[in-house]
Amino acid sequence: DGGITQSPKYLFRKEGQNVTLSCEQNLNHDAMYWYRQDPGQGLRLIYYSQIVNDFQKGDIAEGYSVSREKKESFPLTVTSAQKNPTAFYLCASSTTGGRGEAFFGQGTRLTVV
Amino acid sequence: GESVGLHLPTLSVQEGDNSIINCAYSNSASDYFIWYKQESGKGPQFIIDIRSNMDKRQGQRVTVLLNKTVKHLSLQIAATQPGDSAVYFCAEWSYQKVTFGTGTKLQVIP
Repeated sequence: DGGITQSPKYLFRKEGQNVTLSCEQNLNHDAMYWYRQDPGQGLRLIYYSQIVNDFQKGDIAEGYSVSREKKESFPLTVTSAQKNPTAFYLCASSTTGGRGEAFFGQGTRLTVV
Repeated sequence: GESVGLHLPTLSVQEGDNSIINCAYSNSASDYFIWYKQESGKGPQFIIDIRSNMDKRQGQRVTVLLNKTVKHLSLQIAATQPGDSAVYFCAEWSYQKVTFGTGTKLQVIP
């Protein structure tokens, strides 16, 4: 089955630690995205990538890092520099070229303890 | 700056009635406008989109209207069902990225 997979579903992290969230897609999409969602809020763009080995900062990139070494994978690292990392993180992928229909994973809920 | 926002945070609708969810946008350069549905604890799901050169598009039980003069987008759901209860986001596609609005929670009253 084609789709986009995020893991783990729930993640706990101690303050001061870096943590990496996984996102894998087998839809053959060129574009991948990371969003952050806080309770009762919309989705805010962290990073996005239109092609392998290239990515751009979104609206709230500070304290996060990404890599795009493979087309299928776009891991997000939440670093200790992120002041308020507890949130729901959503990964998405889409084709490039204009339509914008993004397919989302089921999300990772990160809690800092 | 660019923004996509919603007029109402919560909308309660009787089962069987029609629902109308509204959205305002500010980026006139957007190529597409998109509606997503998000159920609790899940990722958003695509509902319908509309190209910027159109003013209406219909799907199954849903219609999206685009008024570029006042930069307004709406989603109409016909014969609202309990399964339609969710948060609905409008979003815009421009500069090769999708920007989301805050969202409207739709509550369907049985």
